[in-house]
Amino acid sequence: AQKITQTQPGMFVQEKEAVTLDCTYDTSDQSYGLFWYKQPSSGEMIFLIYQGSYDEQNATEGRYSLNFQKARKSANLVISASQLGDSAMYFCAMRLAFQAGSYQLTFGKGTKLSVIP
Amino acid sequence: DSGVTQTPKHLITATGQRVTLRCSPRSGDLSVYWYQQSLDQGLQFLIHYYNGEERAKGNILERFSAQQFPDLHSELNLSSLELGDSALYFCASSVTSGGHNEQFFGPGTRLTVL
Repeated sequence: AQKITQTQPGMFVQEKEAVTLDCTYDTSDQSYGLFWYKQPSSGEMIFLIYQGSYDEQNATEGRYSLNFQKARKSANLVISASQLGDSAMYFCAMRLAFQAGSYQLTFGKGTKLSVIP
Repeated sequence: DSGVTQTPKHLITATGQRVTLRCSPRSGDLSVYWYQQSLDQGLQFLIHYYNGEERAKGNILERFSAQQFPDLHSELNLSSLELGDSALYFCASSVTSGGHNEQFFGPGTRLTVL
């Protein structure tokens, strides 16, 4: 069964510094997608970035980049130039190939990031 | 704003009661996914509907049911509520026609069972 592991329950980072949030995954499928979502204290889930298992280049979206190491089954999120508004819970998620017509997501337990002024 | 709406935002009810949570997907999205976020279980997939048909079930209790209507909005029905059902319930919509198929989440319904 697929599994997502986020080993850092909480992280602190100084404003304007870069931070890496770890995510490892476990699947025997060759086709899968990896996502990162941000959940501020207000509760909504905000999509940040996506990496497909066949994508050769690491995904980037503005200040977010995904360090994808397929052989190690890791998909770490890198946030550059941290801002106070980045303080939130961050979830790594995986979806497998189109099984029975569904793309449901499996989530990790999340990492709480706190940005220090 | 993701374009996905959920009502109500908060719901407080008593054990044994039944509630209905409503979700309207983004315009053009045919898929609706329901997730439950609780302190002990984290974020868990409950059920997926595509264009009115159930496509997949996750860790959904028998006391819970869902449906998707012809206008594509979806409802999650929770009955015989227990204290442990207190959680944040999200719906998410996606296109499901290729591409990333990222899911866009609604703001959630926070259910408190007293």
